Amino acid sequence: DTGVSQDPRHKITKRGQNVTFRCDPISEHNRLYWYRQTLGQGPEFLTYFQNEAQLEKSRLLSDRFSAERPKGSFSTLEIQRTEQGDSAMYLCASSPLGAPRPLHFGNGTRLTVT
Amino acid sequence: AQTVTQSQPEMSVQEAETVTLSCTYDTSENNYYLFWYKQPPSRQMILVIRQEAYKQQNATENRFSVNFQKAAKSFSLKISDSQLGDTAMYFCAFMKHDTTGTASKLTFGTGTRLQVTL
Repeated sequence: DTGVSQDPRHKITKRGQNVTFRCDPISEHNRLYWYRQTLGQGPEFLTYFQNEAQLEKSRLLSDRFSAERPKGSFSTLEIQRTEQGDSAMYLCASSPLGAPRPLHFGNGTRLTVT
Repeated sequence: AQTVTQSQPEMSVQEAETVTLSCTYDTSENNYYLFWYKQPPSRQMILVIRQEAYKQQNATENRFSVNFQKAAKSFSLKISDSQLGDTAMYFCAFMKHDTTGTASKLTFGTGTRLQVTL
């Protein structure tokens, strides 16, 4: 169990630029989740996948956000035309199937939009 | 929709003492799970303890225990013999038991920042 890995750890970008984050879940974990966490707040759900299928998306996930998990392994989260309000920690988590299976979180990617 | 409320933004406890963190939730679901997660300054969320709603017995994990009151929709975390390493943000979280019998997403509270002092 090597844990959930996220890359990069930090990303600074200018408003209007596109950014992409990567998440590598624990191997054989079928479910993968993306959360966003702003300072002093709890994580907010964005979306999750079961294998390669995206099963649920939050209303927080505007049209500028897209997530993929093409082969059911790693996932990417892309933000297009970034805005200052996108500045946050983006957390990835994974879990095996079955209930209840606690989520295992990565260290997150901190995005700063200037 | 489910909501989770943590009414204590910050708490402080002396080393070796006991502290209780509060959490209430609102749901119309009957089958669900509740969790406490810890987020140290390194930022990685770590599971502390979990509780299945159908179980009346309160969960315990070493120095950590919960007081689960289903009717009151309350789920507090008690930390006994507090240690400096317990300093962290603590999040209460709710997960409903979805129709396929597998886990669904977590809904988190806003967190309680716990400081353990000497």
